[in-house]
Formats: sequence, structure tokens, C-alpha cells
Amino acid sequence: GQQLNQSPQSMFIQEGEDVSMNCTSSSIFNTWLWYKQDPGEGPVLLIALYKAGELTSNGRLTAQFGITRKDSFLNISASIPSDVGIYFCAGQDPTTSGTYKYIFGTGTRLKVLA
Amino acid sequence: GAVVSQHPSRVICKSGTSVKIECRSLDFQATTMFWYRQFPKQSLMLMATSNEGSKATYEQGVEKDKFLINHASLTLSTLTVTSAHPEDSSFYICSARSRDRGFYGYTFGSGTRLTVV
Repeated sequence: GQQLNQSPQSMFIQEGEDVSMNCTSSSIFNTWLWYKQDPGEGPVLLIALYKAGELTSNGRLTAQFGITRKDSFLNISASIPSDVGIYFCAGQDPTTSGTYKYIFGTGTRLKVLA
Repeated sequence: GAVVSQHPSRVICKSGTSVKIECRSLDFQATTMFWYRQFPKQSLMLMATSNEGSKATYEQGVEKDKFLINHASLTLSTLTVTSAHPEDSSFYICSARSRDRGFYGYTFGSGTRLTVV
């Protein structure tokens, strides 16, 4: 079935550094979403991307919908300790359009060192 | 904003018993509810999709007789794990979609940690 691969799998960074992570798919997607999950909690939506090439920001977060529709990246600028968590991308498979189902990526674990 | 209340947050049950997990949308009508399970350090795997008043649609490999889903109203969906076994121990999360809120209408509950002993 469909799979979304995220890289890196995990990363340790110093507070204040910028972070970049990406999500790739073997097939095209209609929509890309980026979520953050804190330990023991449900994911929280950070950014939604609706069309190829779209670049969207939410505070220190910036995400782009790849032009090929097979990838997306998320950047976090000037990281702070509360950015720690697991970041998931999620995509909507166009073959399941109308069902509103999303496939989640493998996740990127971010740890910020103060 | 949209809030989904999920409970219990943690439950420990004996092998062979059943456990019910509830998800309620507090300030919006959840036309569709998704149920996910997540194993430690892994991604969220969709188990089933339910629309209010309809039977749930299960993903391939998910036993519908073991994971009973009820979406009887626009604000409540339940997942019952029947005859639970240790391998059912996992983190279960619901997500509710509101027809009126576009893509931002996917709101997740806070999850339920199920441990079967």
C-alpha cells in the first residue's frame, strides 16, 4: 500500500538552530498535512498544503508542497525547547478522494538541546 | 476551536475482557470519525472510518468483529476492543472531521493507552 517516508528519522539540534525535514511518496498526493505529536498525546495540525508548489508559513514553521506532488518539506526556524516532539506528514491519496482518509508518514523525532 | 475529548486516557484490562473507548466532539458535529492505533515509536495506522449513522469501513487486516466501532450520533463515536489480548496493547487515537471546517476540521483526540495483561 501507500507509504510516506520521512527523513531524518530523528535529530538532535541545539536551541536556536533551524530544522529541516521532508516527506516523500512513491505516488502523487492531493494534499499534504504536517502534524506535531507530543508524548502521550494526539497529533496537532501545524500546516495544511493544498496544491503543488504551495509554500505556507505558520509562525516559525514553513512547509512546501513539492511540485511533483510526491514530496513535502517542513522547516522550523530558530528552534526552541518546546519544539521537541514527533513530526508527522500526512497525505491524501487521490485514489481515495471523497473518503477523507489520510496516510501518515513514518515520523521525525526532534530533540532540542538547550 | 474544535475539541475532541477522548477517554479513558489510560486503561489496563485483563486478557479476554472488553474495553470501550469514547470520543466526543465537544463543539462541532463530527460527520466522520477515524480510528487509529499507534505502536511505540511508530506511525499512526488507520484502523477504520465511520460516518454518523453508518457502518464503519475497516482497513485491510483490521478485524471488524474484534474492533467494534459505533458512530451513533454526530458527537460521539466509540471503539470497543473485544476479547482483548496482550498484542492489542497500543495507543488508540480518534480523529473527527467536521464537514463545515474543511481540512482544518480534522481534530485528534488525546489518545488512549491500552495495556492488556
